[in-house]
Amino acid sequence: DVKVTQSSRYLVKRTGEKVFLECVQDMDHENMFWYRQDPGLGLRLIYFSYDVKMKEKGDIPEGYSVSREKKERFSLILESASTNQTSMYLCASSSSAGGPQNEQFFGPGTRLTVL
Amino acid sequence: QKEVEQNSGPLSVPEGAIASLNCTYSDRGSQSFFWYRQYSGKSPELIMFIYSNGDKEDGRFTAQLNKASQYVSLLIRDSQPSDSATYLCAAGPGGQAGTALIFGKGTTLSVSS
Repeated sequence: DVKVTQSSRYLVKRTGEKVFLECVQDMDHENMFWYRQDPGLGLRLIYFSYDVKMKEKGDIPEGYSVSREKKERFSLILESASTNQTSMYLCASSSSAGGPQNEQFFGPGTRLTVL
Repeated sequence: QKEVEQNSGPLSVPEGAIASLNCTYSDRGSQSFFWYRQYSGKSPELIMFIYSNGDKEDGRFTAQLNKASQYVSLLIRDSQPSDSATYLCAAGPGGQAGTALIFGKGTTLSVSS
């Protein structure tokens, strides 16, 4: 089974802190994604990566950066956390093999609270 | 702007009934479609995917795709209280490796016993 893990289930940080959210997948997937999910707004794509050291902005990249140094690991960085970044953060991965877009597998999520 | 639209609900059905969840998408180039189930406080899990026009059945679940109408649906037969969750519809932009799915905001289903 595909397994996507995230470094923390719950995280509490202070305004202005630098925050790192880590995601690791064990299925050799090429593509990895970071989303945030807020009530009434659904899943919103922050960044995604289709290869090591490659990244693409999603719909809401402002205030975030990402790093993908190894194929299995995709990190989301909040350079200076703000209260409006309090949210559920979900990592996902998918394979590029087989032509049509393959399904995305999600990690358990990190609920981040910024005080 | 490529979009996937879903009725937010809540959709309420009695136990044993058929629940019908609907989704429309704007990008005619979309080739693959997915239904995810998300329990409160949990992450989405894939329950069905469909690539071809018509119906695809898996147990109590049937996904239906009509590309001409840009319409996808999910039927849940013999609904159970454990089916109560938010259902997310997603469309794949089609054919390109490394592109992201486009998600709808989800429909909340409530099955009463």
